[in-house]
Amino acid sequence: DSGVTQTPKHLITATGQRVTLRCSPRSGDLSVYWYQQSLDQGLQFLIQYYNGEERAKGNILERFSAQQFPDLHSELNLSSLELGDSALYFCASTQGGASGNTIYFGEGSWLTVV
Amino acid sequence: DAKTTQPNSMESNEEEPVHLPCNHSTISGTDYIHWYRQLPSQGPEYVIHGLTSNVNNRMASLAIAEDRKSSTLILHRATLRDAAVYYCILRDVNTGNQFYFGTGTSLTVIP
Repeated sequence: DSGVTQTPKHLITATGQRVTLRCSPRSGDLSVYWYQQSLDQGLQFLIQYYNGEERAKGNILERFSAQQFPDLHSELNLSSLELGDSALYFCASTQGGASGNTIYFGEGSWLTVV
Repeated sequence: DAKTTQPNSMESNEEEPVHLPCNHSTISGTDYIHWYRQLPSQGPEYVIHGLTSNVNNRMASLAIAEDRKSSTLILHRATLRDAAVYYCILRDVNTGNQFYFGTGTSLTVIP
């Protein structure tokens, strides 16, 4: 158990719909990352938050957005969903941005768009 | 993205040592080398990380070349549970110390 909690574990929704994925980081971790992993694809970095503020953006689509709340949990909002958005979405957390800090991943949220 | 190069796949017999190589020729002085592994349908799992000296933990050993341009993850006795994709990640200060995952090495353990 990494200590990073993601909900829901599985989600099936229709094209055009909007979903919200939730992440609770490990206790004490200020930084939250979101990654997308499509079938047989690598892990694509989407976005990072640190203590409530956006720190870095990766390959995140404009239809996607995220935020980190004062209690440090984070939500990833996916809208106008397309079939190609079907993927495993991972949240990860770490204490901070120093190079030596390790990152811990949740078990992921499986999103299927039909 | 910070650049690392790994073989796409490797095989090992069960209970034999496995050496997984990684090249990171663009490494700079403060960049840590991290190794993670991912089992099918699971989140990546931390394995080990280091800066300059070789590192050991209960899962593996990390051997870092003297010039730091390459490293090797060593699994001392491979088990079937070690079959996974292994990622070598260079946290690059030039890219904000982000964790960029490449394609990794898919390790097959043969019984």
